[in-house]
Amino acid sequence: AQRVTQPEKLLSVFKGAPVELKCNYSYSGSPELFWYVQYSRQRLQLLLRHISRESIKGFTADLNKGETSFHLKKPFAQEEDSAMYYCALASGGYNKLIFGAGTRLAVHP
Amino acid sequence: GAVVSQHPSWVICKSGTSVKIECRSLDFQATTMFWYRQFPKQSLMLMATSNEGSKATYEQGVEKDKFLINHASLTLSTLTVTSAHPEDSSFYICSARAGVAEQYFGPGTRLTVT
Repeated sequence: AQRVTQPEKLLSVFKGAPVELKCNYSYSGSPELFWYVQYSRQRLQLLLRHISRESIKGFTADLNKGETSFHLKKPFAQEEDSAMYYCALASGGYNKLIFGAGTRLAVHP
Repeated sequence: GAVVSQHPSWVICKSGTSVKIECRSLDFQATTMFWYRQFPKQSLMLMATSNEGSKATYEQGVEKDKFLINHASLTLSTLTVTSAHPEDSSFYICSARAGVAEQYFGPGTRLTVT
């Protein structure tokens, strides 16, 4: 079954601390994975995708097929990073997205 | 970036009535639109995928007669919740995509059925 697991509902850190939001997936084919972010009272927006291998707002994520993981990392968290983060897997001919449950990141001053 | 709008942003309706939610791609032609449902403090659950001019493809467990989806043009898709009941109260979100590009999400519509 295709599934995305984000084990942490809430991750609370202090400003300047490293952040790692965990994401594990289950998919029989070659996965295409994404991280989406939703800031307070805003719509969902794409943060990054694994195929582009880019760093957005200091965040990076590496696909580890052996561990079926796509963890999101940032070395120094900022208060403006506080948001809801969703890991998603693209599946099927229309590339429909399967979302994880989401992790709320709270960065304290 | 591309913009997707939804209307209304919030709607309250009485049990047994139907309500229509619109999703529009404002500055691009969306060959595919997706409808999601999000319960409070939960993730987005895909309800259906629609392609312009075709019947929507519903996910398992989603009643196609209850949630009618129409994608009549490349910029508009509608979701009609028929004979709404309180358990249909939720946050409904659409997204749109042109070709194989990324999905752009609408702001969502909060439906409350009394």
